[in-house]
Amino acid sequence: NAGVMQNPRHLVRRRGQEARLRCSPMKGHSHVYWYRQLPEEGLKFMVYLQKENIIDESGMPKERFSAEFPKEGPSILRIQQVVRGDSAAYFCASSLTSGNTDTQYFGPGTRLTVL
Amino acid sequence: AQTVTQSQPEMSVQEAETVTLSCTYDTSESDYYLFWYKQPPSRQMILVIRQEAYKQQNATENRFSVNFQKAAKSFSLKISDSQLGDAAMYFCAYRFSGGSNYKLTFGKGTLLTVNP
Repeated sequence: NAGVMQNPRHLVRRRGQEARLRCSPMKGHSHVYWYRQLPEEGLKFMVYLQKENIIDESGMPKERFSAEFPKEGPSILRIQQVVRGDSAAYFCASSLTSGNTDTQYFGPGTRLTVL
Repeated sequence: AQTVTQSQPEMSVQEAETVTLSCTYDTSESDYYLFWYKQPPSRQMILVIRQEAYKQQNATENRFSVNFQKAAKSFSLKISDSQLGDAAMYFCAYRFSGGSNYKLTFGKGTLLTVNP
C-alpha cells in the first residue's frame, strides 16, 4: 500500500509566480491535512479537507493561498504571487476517517524555494 | 489555544545509551492525544509513539517509551539503547480528541545527535 505521495519534492519559483503543490493520500483515505514548516520551526496546521469540502482553513493565510480536494484526483495547495516568506516545506497528511483514534500519515513534503 | 513546548533545542547521546526528550503542553481539554514524530534528514515525518490522555499506562514501542504526567501536562520520550539511526529531529504533538477536526499542534522540535 503506497504511502502519502507529494509532488514535486522540490519547487523553485520566482517572486510573483504561482506554486501548485499536489498530495495524493493513502489509498482509501478521504481526509487530508496540509501543514507548513518554516526553517527552524515545527509544523503548523494550515487546512483540513475532506473530499470536495474544506472543513477548517483557520491556519491558512487569508490571501494568495487556497486548497482543494476534488472528488477525483489529488489535493492541491495553491499559492499565488509567491513571496520569499512563502519559502518553506509543505507537508500533507492523510487519515482514513476523522475519528479520534485515527492516525495521520505524512507525505515526504514539498520544499518550496522562492527566489 | 493549545501550545506545545519543547525546551531542548538539541540533545546528544552516546550509542547504546538512554536519552530523554522533554515536552510540555497547555490545554484546557481533558480528552486528547499526544504524539512523538521523528523527522530524519530525509524530512519524512514518521510517527514514533502515541498516547491517549485517558490511559494512565505509559505507551511503549520497542526501545521508545513515554512518561506521561497528565496533571503536570508533561510528555517526555525515552529512547533506550540509542542507535545511529535514531539521529533526527523529534517533534512532540498534541491533538484534541473531541469535535470533528483533528489537527495536530507541534512543538518546535529537539535535534537528537547520536555519537558512535
